[in-house]
Amino acid sequence: SAVISQKPSRDICQRGTSLTIQCQVDSQVTMMFWYRQQPGQSLTLIATANQGSEATYESGFVIDKFPISRPNLTFSTLTVSNMSPEDSSIYLCSVTSAGGRETQYFGPGTRLLVL
Amino acid sequence: GDSVTQMEGPVTLSEEAFLTINCTYTATGYPSLFWYVQYPGEGLQLLLKATKADDKGSNKGFEATYRKETTSFHLEKGSVQVSDSAVYFCALRPNQAGTALIFGKGTTLSVSS
Repeated sequence: SAVISQKPSRDICQRGTSLTIQCQVDSQVTMMFWYRQQPGQSLTLIATANQGSEATYESGFVIDKFPISRPNLTFSTLTVSNMSPEDSSIYLCSVTSAGGRETQYFGPGTRLLVL
Repeated sequence: GDSVTQMEGPVTLSEEAFLTINCTYTATGYPSLFWYVQYPGEGLQLLLKATKADDKGSNKGFEATYRKETTSFHLEKGSVQVSDSAVYFCALRPNQAGTALIFGKGTTLSVSS
């Protein structure tokens, strides 16, 4: 299994500002993903964070709005840029190991409220 | 594309009642199937999984069987407890290495004593 920590755990931000969320894993992992969970909704994949290259974004998500870094096999950041109240969500980091066919583990999430 | 459909909630049961939460999927090939649970105020936890047809995943009294003929992975528990109150998510991973989970909309279960 993998133990995942995220910082911050929650934040309240003003519209127009940006927030960077950190994800740290206790072991080297193959795949890292970022999801969004809007209030009362399911999880939507934002992007796959690729080590050493640009992230792969899902339809409806763009790099300018959600820049992602992954400098090594245990760490990634997601930035939510130029925030609006619609960005209020829980943002979750998720990982798999062993070639990406194993169980996918989730971090505790970052609860973001944009005023 | 691949997708997961879960029964609409909320599901409200009395303690010791039988639980079924329906989940069906659409996918090419042979995906892996999962149930995750999210307790109030907590993160997402893996409940059980099945990686091939006819596999049965089980944990904490919950069971689900991978039925390829009906493309289903229904979650069942014989006797629910108040502590089972949570949101349950059915998910699949397409049969392709390196792909992320695709989730259903989630089903809220509320168990009263």
